[in-house]
Amino acid sequence: QVQLVQSGAEVKKPGASVKVSCKASGYTFTSYGISWVRQAPGQGLEWMGWISAYNGNTNYAQKLQGRVTMTTDTSTSTAYMELRSLRSDDTAVYYCARHEVLLHWFDPWGQGTLVTVSS
Amino acid sequence: QSALTQPASVSGSPGQSITISCTGTSSDVGGYNYVSWYQQHPGKAPKLMIYDVSNRPSGVSNRFSGSKSGNTASLTISGLQAEDEADYYCSSYTSSSSYVFGTGTKVTVL
Repeated sequence: QVQLVQSGAEVKKPGASVKVSCKASGYTFTSYGISWVRQAPGQGLEWMGWISAYNGNTNYAQKLQGRVTMTTDTSTSTAYMELRSLRSDDTAVYYCARHEVLLHWFDPWGQGTLVTVSS
Repeated sequence: QSALTQPASVSGSPGQSITISCTGTSSDVGGYNYVSWYQQHPGKAPKLMIYDVSNRPSGVSNRFSGSKSGNTASLTISGLQAEDEADYYCSSYTSSSSYVFGTGTKVTVL
């Protein structure tokens, strides 16, 4: 079955960077993209951006431009999301989700990775 | 991009039908038939329930249905069951080639 498995929880200090991984299985990795979505504690969902696993093209949310980088490793069917210059309001659960850019929905989702930013 | 507007909470008794609204603008919900809905139980990842306004993925109960009129999309849950108690989020593609989610609705089964 299609599955996305994410890396474990992280605790970072303000100003640091975090890199979250998302390993895909059960489908042809390069036939889809991956979107990243985050959810602050008790809050709603926020789309962060998308990367094509086929050619590495990216589309980042304007709010995060310059602080986020999404990459893929097709040899291991893994997507990565790196967020730099972390602030306390970056504390959230980060999800990856399979997303074919022409289909406009996210399915399935990874289990989520809690990133805590605290001094 | 502002979040789409959803009611904070909706409740119903078992067997009843409820409808959750999702209001945006002509730059998102009203401009495209690319609205999707997600169910999220506490501590769990979201699950796709409806895509492209009214289509159900394989495996999703036909008690869930979606529609759209103008800048407002809706999710209806008929024959409400205890397992439907969860948070629900809408999402829409936007004219900026990005995606925006709704504010979320907590569904309570009385």
